[in-house]
Amino acid sequence: QSVLTQPPSASGTPGQRVTISCSGSSSNIGSYTVNWYQQFPRTAPKLLIYSNDQRPSGVPDRFSGSKSGTSASLAISGLQSEDEADYYCAAWDDTLNGCVFGTGTKVTVL
Amino acid sequence: EVLLVESGGGLVKPGGSLRLTCAASGFTFSSYSMNWVRQAPGKGLEWVSSIGGSGGYIYYVDSVKGRFTISRDNAKNSLYLQMNSLRAEDTAVYYCARATTLSGIAASGTAYWGEGTLVTVSS
Repeated sequence: QSVLTQPPSASGTPGQRVTISCSGSSSNIGSYTVNWYQQFPRTAPKLLIYSNDQRPSGVPDRFSGSKSGTSASLAISGLQSEDEADYYCAAWDDTLNGCVFGTGTKVTVL
Repeated sequence: EVLLVESGGGLVKPGGSLRLTCAASGFTFSSYSMNWVRQAPGKGLEWVSSIGGSGGYIYYVDSVKGRFTISRDNAKNSLYLQMNSLRAEDTAVYYCARATTLSGIAASGTAYWGEGTLVTVSS
């Protein structure tokens, strides 16, 4: 059972803004930075956001991340059909002494 | 170009063993912490283990402690995961992943992933 909670699904029409939440605790998000991953079926995850709000090179600026207290969010603005994928948050947890992933959110473009 | 290639997966009976290998290239292997992450069929991502660049620190998820051993050979640019006493619940695609920066997975996540190798534990 994951210690980071995400909504199971989110959806929007093309061009809309979609936000995905990630809820944790003081031992993980409250103490460490949050990373976000995008995963398409049968492919390896791709890092979208690291250190709360940093985008690796090549990631469109439509993707943005933020953190406040023990929660974090990923926003996708100008939603596109190719954004339809699973999204996971992740953070280190110093109680578990390991990395924890969120439960995952499936984004659907209507 | 960073390249990570996993191998060693396959079908094994419960209680059996497998050794996964991740061959790395395109970066100074010894400078980066490395990680194993798995994904059971139809399920989410689960971090399995991390090892520091020099092997100075090692961490495991509770469910594999005492059964799995992570190691690395910096001379061969290779990462390993020795998996013993395998259980059905260990069935998953196992990914090798490199930390984004020299600061490690806790600070910057994992920007580089292999394509994964499938481990199936079944009688």
